[in-house]
Amino acid sequence: EAGVAQSPRYKIIEKRQSVAFWCNPISGHATLYWYQQILGQGPKLLIQFQNNGVVDDSQLPKDRFSAERLKGVDSTLKIQPAKLEDSAVYLCASSLWAHPSYEQYFGPGTRLTVT
Amino acid sequence: QKEVEQNSGPLSVPEGAIASLNCTYSDRGSQSFFWYRQYSGKSPELIMFIYSNGDKEDGRFTAQLNKASQYVSLLIRDSQPSDSATYLCAGRAGGTSYGKLTFGQGTILTVHP
Repeated sequence: EAGVAQSPRYKIIEKRQSVAFWCNPISGHATLYWYQQILGQGPKLLIQFQNNGVVDDSQLPKDRFSAERLKGVDSTLKIQPAKLEDSAVYLCASSLWAHPSYEQYFGPGTRLTVT
Repeated sequence: QKEVEQNSGPLSVPEGAIASLNCTYSDRGSQSFFWYRQYSGKSPELIMFIYSNGDKEDGRFTAQLNKASQYVSLLIRDSQPSDSATYLCAGRAGGTSYGKLTFGQGTILTVHP
């Protein structure tokens, strides 16, 4: 079974530029998550999709971050404009369903550096 | 107060010893708890999850949950250098929160030969 795929793996941009990340979850997984992990901290949930609907985006900085999952499969996360404090690893995860007993599987992450 | 807080590290143990990792949580709505291992530069990988009070054992790993004290722990027996990593504790709520996972800040474990 293929795992969660993410691209790009690394990205370096200047502040005020825009950037987009892509995630392809495990086939059949209805729930998709985007996390931000700043160096030395645990992952922080940015947004959670159930199929193509948003069920939690309470910690997403909506003035600069946006995400979509139009067909309930792939997802993109965009930052526009980027700030220095956005430097982090952006992790995508998926699970079969949004229930406490279902494991979340993480992708390899995208390491973003904002200069 | 952070929702999930882990004991401050880093933690260093000799090979063959027991490593004890602790975590407390503030949300009584949390139904299940997960321990992830994260090697440097890699993504988190699940070690164990627990949702009932008491102990759960899987090989060299034992997870313990005490809901009354809002405390979760992970014991690693016969620690090996390959266990050296950051260990993340996460709590997951149920009901209308759609299983949101909240992570602690992580504890760095080093097992020295």
